[in-house]
Amino acid sequence: GAVVSQHPSRVICKSGTSVKIECRSLDFQATTMFWYRQFPKQSLMLMATSNEGSKATYEQGVEKDKFLINHASLTLSTLTVTSAHPEDSSFYICSTFPATWGNTEAFFGQGTRLTVV
Amino acid sequence: GQQLNQSPQSMFIQEGEDVSMNCTSSSIFNTWLWYKQDPGEGPVLLIALYKAGELTSNGRLTAQFGITRKDSFLNISASIPSDVGIYFCAGSPYNFNKFYFGSGTKLNVKP
Repeated sequence: GAVVSQHPSRVICKSGTSVKIECRSLDFQATTMFWYRQFPKQSLMLMATSNEGSKATYEQGVEKDKFLINHASLTLSTLTVTSAHPEDSSFYICSTFPATWGNTEAFFGQGTRLTVV
Repeated sequence: GQQLNQSPQSMFIQEGEDVSMNCTSSSIFNTWLWYKQDPGEGPVLLIALYKAGELTSNGRLTAQFGITRKDSFLNISASIPSDVGIYFCAGSPYNFNKFYFGSGTKLNVKP
């Protein structure tokens, strides 16, 4: 299957600082990437859809000014958690699929465990 | 977002037993996926279903895409200890891989 690399795998930051998480498609081009958040013992919740070269589309209830998404190339999307607070501590996961594969399964990155202290 | 109901929430079974879990949605989906997630890891795809009525197997796992396109089930036969984990269903109502996840089924297998 396609390989999606997410970095960093773990990050601890101080309250009020910003954290950037990268999601890369390693062996294919991805025009669309999805960002999910997963709180402990809960399911994955879709946060936003990242589109290469255009603005991201956010799900209802997700603050776009707090979770900045940039998809500047066909292989990289970044999620920046701005002015992080302890309640932002969560597991963040990206997913994508090869642009040429059409309607098929989504491949996930390894996830980023964010802890805000 | 879309509403996906997954059940059961958790299961405690004996090694060798068969397991069944299912998901239902409030709207029609074009794709159903089943994932397994280990602690601290991203989900790993088990089975993908693209067509109503489709029945697909992957080793001891079997999943079906419901005829109504609003449900799917996953069966695990002859469970083993390494089957322990959380299983998620995911469905996409669109044609561009935007998936919504069920709440997960935590599977515990006693040796």
